[in-house]
Amino acid sequence: DGGITQSPKYLFRKEGQNVTLSCEQNLNHDAMYWYRQDPGQGLRLIYYSQIVNDFQKGDIAEGYSVSREKKESFPLTVTSAQKNPTAFYLCASLLAGNNEQFFGPGTRLTVL
Amino acid sequence: GQSLEQPSEVTAVEGAIVQINCTYQTSGFYGLSWYQQHDGGAPTFLSYNALDGLEETGRFSSFLSRSDSYGYLLLQELQMKDSASYFCAVRATSGTYKYIFGTGTRLKVLA
Repeated sequence: DGGITQSPKYLFRKEGQNVTLSCEQNLNHDAMYWYRQDPGQGLRLIYYSQIVNDFQKGDIAEGYSVSREKKESFPLTVTSAQKNPTAFYLCASLLAGNNEQFFGPGTRLTVL
Repeated sequence: GQSLEQPSEVTAVEGAIVQINCTYQTSGFYGLSWYQQHDGGAPTFLSYNALDGLEETGRFSSFLSRSDSYGYLLLQELQMKDSASYFCAVRATSGTYKYIFGTGTRLKVLA
């Protein structure tokens, strides 16, 4: 079955530590996205990538980094520079020419 | 700045019809999408409008008026399982697949 996966589902880290969130898709989608969602809030774009080896900053990229070395994978690193990293992180993918984003199940990050 | 405005919460009873509005202010416009998200879950795609008018998909319909920078999602024959958050999203830039999401509307369906 094709889909988009994120791991882990829950993640706990100490303040000051970098952490990497995984996102993998086997839908052969071209574009991939990372969104942050805070309680009761909408989705805010962190980074997106339209093709391999290229990515663009979204509205809240500070304190985050990404890579797109393979079409299937778009990992997100939350660095210690991110002042308030506790949130629900959603990864999504989209086939070029379409308008439907497919979302992964999300990773809930808690920084202690 | 670019923004999409939605009501924060809407309440309706089972079997009723409810409309969730979305007004947008963006530098460009290449389509309005709607997503549903249940608590703790991932958003799922509901509909997309690129041109003015009404698009119907079962109990859900979506409307767009580009001249008014406005759209809405219409949910008919409400069911308890429709209780969720609903987000509108705009693709605002030609040549990229960057989307801007609205603030979301929490729909509560009462028995």
